[in-house]
Amino acid sequence: NAGVTQTPKFQVLKTGQSMTLQCAQDMNHEYMSWYRQDPGMGLRLIHYSVGAGITDQGEVPNGYNVSRSTTEDFPLRLLSAAPSQTSVYFCASSYGDRSSPLHFGNGTRLTVT
Amino acid sequence: KNEVEQSPQNLTAQEGEFITINCSYSVGISALHWLQQHPGGGIVSLFMLSSGKKKHGRLIATINIQEKHSSLHITASHPRDSAVYICAVIQGAQKLVFGQGTRLTINP
Repeated sequence: NAGVTQTPKFQVLKTGQSMTLQCAQDMNHEYMSWYRQDPGMGLRLIHYSVGAGITDQGEVPNGYNVSRSTTEDFPLRLLSAAPSQTSVYFCASSYGDRSSPLHFGNGTRLTVT
Repeated sequence: KNEVEQSPQNLTAQEGEFITINCSYSVGISALHWLQQHPGGGIVSLFMLSSGKKKHGRLIATINIQEKHSSLHITASHPRDSAVYICAVIQGAQKLVFGQGTRLTINP
């Protein structure tokens, strides 16, 4: 049982490049979500999903794209990276009910130059 | 003004002291998380609560829905408790809004 697996751990991109941050969980969780963490800003919700085929925007969705074709995977796509997207990204999942804890991945540190 | 406010932002205490971290929110919520982020960056869930009080070891979390306030208490604090503690409220189905975190340092 690996929990929530995020890849890569570190990534450096040039402005305008695209990439996909991967997130996978093996706990059969319905709810999955992406966050970014910036100094002085705390964690902010980018996108979330309450089940396969269902996604919704969070607080800071612009510049990011998601899809949820399977229960296990919830990739986050940066279509054209910008320096403002330099951040630490976390993926999290849960069963989605009011008593379920969130399980976080170990994070991806992204630098856009 | 942030929808979720934590206080204090930074807290330094001596080993053994009783610690209280507060979280106030201004929006309607269905539940609230307390999270712990260690210096290495990993985030773990400590509590999820929608009413009353929960206890796990030396940690106690309370919530007052009417007053829109939650507290996290640590009894007999230890240097290994040094971390950032984050409050997050759940709006609607599963939309999370986070506080900015409280950085706790426990000195031996």
